[in-house]
Amino acid sequence: DAGITQSPRHKVTETGTPVTLRCHQTENHRYMYWYRQDPGHGLRLIHYSYGVKDTDKGEVSDGYSVSRSKTEDFLLTLESATSSQTSVYFCAIRDLDTQYFGPGTRLLVL
Amino acid sequence: GENVEQHPSTLSVQEGDSAVIKCTYSDSASNYFPWYKQELGKRPQLIIDIRSNVGEKKDQRIAVTLNKTAKHFSLHITETQPEDSAVYFCAARVSGAGSYQLTFGKGTKLSVIP
Repeated sequence: DAGITQSPRHKVTETGTPVTLRCHQTENHRYMYWYRQDPGHGLRLIHYSYGVKDTDKGEVSDGYSVSRSKTEDFLLTLESATSSQTSVYFCAIRDLDTQYFGPGTRLLVL
Repeated sequence: GENVEQHPSTLSVQEGDSAVIKCTYSDSASNYFPWYKQELGKRPQLIIDIRSNVGEKKDQRIAVTLNKTAKHFSLHITETQPEDSAVYFCAARVSGAGSYQLTFGKGTKLSVIP
């Protein structure tokens, strides 16, 4: 499982509240990614990081921000959660050519 | 940017039959094509991948073929078993993209009927 954990694994929150999801890896990988998975859309990239303090936007970055202050942690923040951000969020790391995924966080925004 | 189309969206086969899932990509600079299997409630897991300098790759009952001219690649599962039931995703990565970003297809739900 490439030493990737995500927290929390499940979260229910209300519209308008801030939410932070954490991805933690233990194997010192440089590249980390945040995806969201929705029925009929597959996996869509939100943001990615290529090193400490180095991040960039993906396909669906609106409403999300990220931070990476340590190699092992990549945080995804929803500044003001909306119902459209109800989804399953996966973190991934890059190892050579391949990406390996964390266990996911299921987020419900009411 | 890269665009990946995946077909079919759902596929039902009898146990023991073969299953084929096809993907097309738009960017001729793509050079890496992984396939992921996702069981219900679990994370996507890599099952096989192929690079653009190879036309076919096999791993036991799973094979992937790549046609660079037509810009499509396919996953072949032979002698299907109930445990092959899952959602399968193809992906493509553009060569030279500093992000090593993968673009995913929308997935195929495979059901293997005992």
